[in-house]
Amino acid sequence: EIVLTQSPAILSLAPGERATLSCRASQSVGTHLAWYQQKPGQAPRLLIYETSTRAAGVPARFSGSGSGTDFTLTIGSLEPEDFAVYFCQQRTNWPPLTFGGGTKVEIK
Amino acid sequence: QVQLVQSGPEVKKPGSSVKVSCKASGGSVRNDAFSWMRQAPGQGPEWMGDINPMFDARNYAQKFQGRLSISSDDSKTTLYMELSSLISNDTAVYYCARDIRYGFDIWGQGTLVTVSS
Repeated sequence: EIVLTQSPAILSLAPGERATLSCRASQSVGTHLAWYQQKPGQAPRLLIYETSTRAAGVPARFSGSGSGTDFTLTIGSLEPEDFAVYFCQQRTNWPPLTFGGGTKVEIK
Repeated sequence: QVQLVQSGPEVKKPGSSVKVSCKASGGSVRNDAFSWMRQAPGQGPEWMGDINPMFDARNYAQKFQGRLSISSDDSKTTLYMELSSLISNDTAVYYCARDIRYGFDIWGQGTLVTVSS
């Protein structure tokens, strides 16, 4: 099973700042990595798939990069609605597909 | 646009079973694959298994083998997830989601399952 490790666990930033979130895989997942945003009491929302492709309706300030074992989600300039928890997810060597433990982006 | 509407919260005794439904509103589940995930408080989602109703194909995560059953109804509008031999660690929010292969783009609202004596 591929383990995804996200860092940092908590990211404290102000609106307008740039957020950089990391996801590291225990073995290569190629480019088969997705990112989700989750707000309290809501289901996760797909943001990015195949490392860098934005899902429908996702603002351009969200971007993804990486390959193999190291991936990054960047939020170019934080808007108030971006403060949430973010998860990465892989589907190489599936089943099972796996999720990371999450990074909480909180208001500084 | 298909919406996934799940059944309501459940409280179950240890050792019992729970069956959660996921109804496709505004469409059917016939032409897509769907997964079930669960999420304990403060943790990332955990993939449990999936189904492709068109081919009646299923995959289950090894940790749930033998006590998880995923199915769909004959009309192909509703999915079901049944988990048996419940223990307290099964307490979580359970989600169904549409699998577009590269990710899960439509999610149900979640169903809280509480296992408590």
